[in-house]
Amino acid sequence: DIQMTQSPSILSAFVGDRVTITCRASQSISIWLAWYQQKPGKAPKLLIYKASSLESGVPSRFSGSGSGTEFTLTISSLQPDDFATYYCQQYKSYSPWTFGQGTKVEIK
Amino acid sequence: EVQLVESGGGLIQPGGSLRLSCAASGFTLSSYSMNWVRQAPGKGLEWVSYITSVGSIIYYADSVKGRFTISRDNAKNSLYLQMDSLRDEDTAVYYCARSKGVAALDYWGQGTLVTVSS
Repeated sequence: DIQMTQSPSILSAFVGDRVTITCRASQSISIWLAWYQQKPGKAPKLLIYKASSLESGVPSRFSGSGSGTEFTLTISSLQPDDFATYYCQQYKSYSPWTFGQGTKVEIK
Repeated sequence: EVQLVESGGGLIQPGGSLRLSCAASGFTLSSYSMNWVRQAPGKGLEWVSYITSVGSIIYYADSVKGRFTISRDNAKNSLYLQMDSLRDEDTAVYYCARSKGVAALDYWGQGTLVTVSS
C-alpha cells in the first residue's frame, strides 16, 4: 500500500499568516492527490483534486502543488474559518486509496 | 442540491452484523462511483470501500475484506454497506462519499456512528 505522511501534525498560526502543509507519498502517485478540510463533528470537505485543481466554491486563498511524491497545500492568508484539520488522500489507480494522518491548524 | 444521508448505525456486539444505508438526492446516482470512508473516534480518515456506477468494479480495504460488502440500488437512489463479523476496531463514524472522476471525494454525508462493544 502507498503510505502518505503529512507534516507538521500540528501547526499554530496567526490570522493572516501564509501556511504550508506538506504531504509525501511512499511511491510516485503522479498528480492523483486530493486535499480535504475537516472541522470537529463535520464531514470532510474537498478543497483540491488532481494535486492543484481548486474545487468549485473553495476560496482562492487555497492552492495545491506538487507531483510524484511531494505535495503541498498552501493557504495564502489564514482566515478564522480555516482553523481545522487538513488531510491529503492519494488515489493512484487502486492501491488502495489512503489518507495522510492529518494536520491540525490551530490559532496562535 | 446534492445530499447524502447515512443511516443504520448503532451499538452492536462483537461478531454481529449491521447494514448501513446511504440515501442520495440532488444528482443522478447511476452516473457516479461511490465510496464508504470511516473515522474512528479521535482518529484520521480511512477509506473502506468503492463501487463503480453500475457496480461492475468493487474494491475493499484489506482491514474489511471478506467481512464487509458494498452494494447499490440505483433505482432506489441508495448505497449500502453490509458489515459482518464486526470487531471492536470497526467502531467509527461511517461516511458515504461521491467520487469526482476516479476517487477524489466531492460530496460526503453527515456520517453514522457504529459502536462495536460488548
